[in-house]
Amino acid sequence: DIQMTQSPSSLSASVGDRVTITCRASQSISSYLNWYQEKPGKAPKLLIYAASSLQSGVPSRFSGSGSGTDFTLTISSLQPEDFATYYCQQSYTTPRTFGQGTKVEIK
Amino acid sequence: QVQLVQSGAEVKKPGSSVKVSCKASGGTFRSYDISWIRQAPGQGLEWLGGIIPMFGTAKYALKFQGRLTITADESTSTAYMELSSLRFEDTAVFYCARGESYSETSGYSHNWFDPWGQGTLVTVSS
Repeated sequence: DIQMTQSPSSLSASVGDRVTITCRASQSISSYLNWYQEKPGKAPKLLIYAASSLQSGVPSRFSGSGSGTDFTLTISSLQPEDFATYYCQQSYTTPRTFGQGTKVEIK
Repeated sequence: QVQLVQSGAEVKKPGSSVKVSCKASGGTFRSYDISWIRQAPGQGLEWLGGIIPMFGTAKYALKFQGRLTITADESTSTAYMELSSLRFEDTAVFYCARGESYSETSGYSHNWFDPWGQGTLVTVSS
């Protein structure tokens, strides 16, 4: 199975901060990398697909980059509604695997 | 717009089985993967398996093979996930999500999970 490792596991940030979350795959997955946002009691929501494509309706402050084994999710200016847990997920092969999550908390 | 609606919460005894449904509306059903993903309390997301209805054969994560069955009924646009030999540690919210699509002209695409169902809480308790 392909292991997905996110860092950090959690972070504290203020509104307006630039936030970067990284995701590393245990082997090359090309650009088959997706990012999701999860809020308590809600289903995960797709933010970024194919490493860098913004899902329709997602604010442009979210962006993704990377290929191969190293990927990044960036929030350019953190907003109150962005405090949540973020997951990366590889779709290169089955089993589909997720990172362990990064919880973004209010500083 | 595609919407996935899941069946309601379940409470099951250890050793029993649970079957959760996921009804799709508003889009093509047969050529898109429906995957099942679970989240145990306080834990991350775990893919269990998925099925593309037009193919009829499901793929499973190795740890669930033997006690997980995923099926799809094209006539009702509904997918099902049945997990047997339930253990306390199977307590989780189970989600269905639409995954990759297949066409004869372009092969596989849409390699991401969107949309998701609302989730079904399965509690295993004696």
